[in-house]
Amino acid sequence: DTGVSQNPRHKITKRGQNVTFRCDPISEHNRLYWYRQTLGQGPEFLTYFQNEAQLEKSRLLSDRFSAERPKGSFSTLEIQRTEQGDSAMYLCASSSLLVQGSSPGELFFGEGSRLTVL
Amino acid sequence: TQLLEQSPQFLSIQEGENLTVYCNSSSVFSSLQWYRQEPGEGPVLLVTVVTGGEVKKLKRLTFQFGDARKDSSLHITAAQPGDTGLYLCAGAGANNLFFGTGTRLTVIP
Repeated sequence: DTGVSQNPRHKITKRGQNVTFRCDPISEHNRLYWYRQTLGQGPEFLTYFQNEAQLEKSRLLSDRFSAERPKGSFSTLEIQRTEQGDSAMYLCASSSLLVQGSSPGELFFGEGSRLTVL
Repeated sequence: TQLLEQSPQFLSIQEGENLTVYCNSSSVFSSLQWYRQEPGEGPVLLVTVVTGGEVKKLKRLTFQFGDARKDSSLHITAAQPGDTGLYLCAGAGANNLFFGTGTRLTVIP
């Protein structure tokens, strides 16, 4: 396993279109996170999964955003009716839950999917 | 709105100089992590600090966690061009990790 994989790496779309990003985490990791990052800023938390269960969603995740992890492996993040403000880098990360209810350990990030909405 | 504020936001220094980056919050965290991110890549973990007052050293990098577990600092001694990047602190909540606003460091040869 070579790490967290995200695709596409770059997506340019017109306002109003739908886009979907895919994340393949490190295979033995049971936690998967989505973050959004704008240029020069720190990543902002969007949502996270433990196995297939989506356990937390940020208020940043409007009803146009939906994330799934149907089999507890790969995850998809879909943005419907994209707006120019959605332009950002979407980062996926995975980690291994060692102890139930424990703080997250090291997050392993993918290289991100850069979205540009025209 | 991010829970952790980093300062300075930008830092440009000459090779060989020392620097300190600060990470402050009004929230208490069970642990705090520092990451470095290079252009076109995801953040990579540098260190995790867990105990209030803890100091960890990683070669030329020294990390400190505040006694109240609300703040942290990263000190780099004799900076090198390879240290250039975006430095991010991240506070651990119950199940999640919240990132700071970031400090972009440029080390000029």
